[in-house]
Amino acid sequence: KAGVTQTPRYLIKTRGQQVTLSCSPISGHRSVSWYQQTPGQGLQFLFEYFSETQRNKGNFPGRFSGRQFSNSRSEMNVSTLELGDSALYLCASSWGQNNEQFFGPGTRLTVL
Amino acid sequence: AQSVTQLGSHVSVSEGALVLLRCNYSSSVPPYLFWYVQYPNQGLQLLLKYTSAATLVKGINGFEAEFKKSETSFHLTKPSAHMSDAAEYFCAVSEMAGNQFYFGTGTSLTVIP
Repeated sequence: KAGVTQTPRYLIKTRGQQVTLSCSPISGHRSVSWYQQTPGQGLQFLFEYFSETQRNKGNFPGRFSGRQFSNSRSEMNVSTLELGDSALYLCASSWGQNNEQFFGPGTRLTVL
Repeated sequence: AQSVTQLGSHVSVSEGALVLLRCNYSSSVPPYLFWYVQYPNQGLQLLLKYTSAATLVKGINGFEAEFKKSETSFHLTKPSAHMSDAAEYFCAVSEMAGNQFYFGTGTSLTVIP
C-alpha cells in the first residue's frame, strides 16, 4: 500500500498570500488529521476530517481551514499568511477512531 | 483535554547504553498511548502503541514501553542504543472518544559513539 502523500513538499510564499496544501491518505483510511509543527510549539493539532466532515478542531484562527473530498483526500488552506505560519505541516491518516495515525512527509511552508 | 509531558527535551546516551525517554499523561481514564519517531525532514513513524491490552508493549527497532496507570506514565526504553536511534521522539495520547491526538513536545535523542 502506498503511504500518505503530501504535495507540495516545499513552498515559499509571502505575507498576505494564501496557500493550499494537499494530502492523500492511505487507501481505505477515512480519517485525515492535520498538524502544524514548529521548533517552538512542537506538534499542534489543526483539525481532523472523517467522511468529509470536520470532526475535531484545534485552537487555530479561522485563517486555517480544511476540507475532505469523497475519496478521502484532504486539503488545508491558510489565508492571509503571516510570518508565524512558517512551519512543517503534517498530514496523518487513520482507519478509524483511536487507531494509530500514519503520517506523510509533510509540507515545509516558508513565509517571507 | 488531555495533556502529555515529556521530561527532557534533549537526552544523550552512549552507544550501547540504555535509552529511557519519559512520558506522562493526564487522564482519569486510561487512554490510547503511542510513541512516534521522527527523523530529520521526515514525517512521524509509529514505534509502538498501547490500547489497553498488555501493559508492556514491544515496538519496532527494539523499543518497548510500559504503561503504568498508577503513575500515569508510558516511558519508552531500549536496552542498547544504536547510532541510528538518533532522532526526535514523540509521545502521543488519544482520547477514548474521537480521534484527536495530543502530542508531547518531543525529546531529541543523541547517541554518542
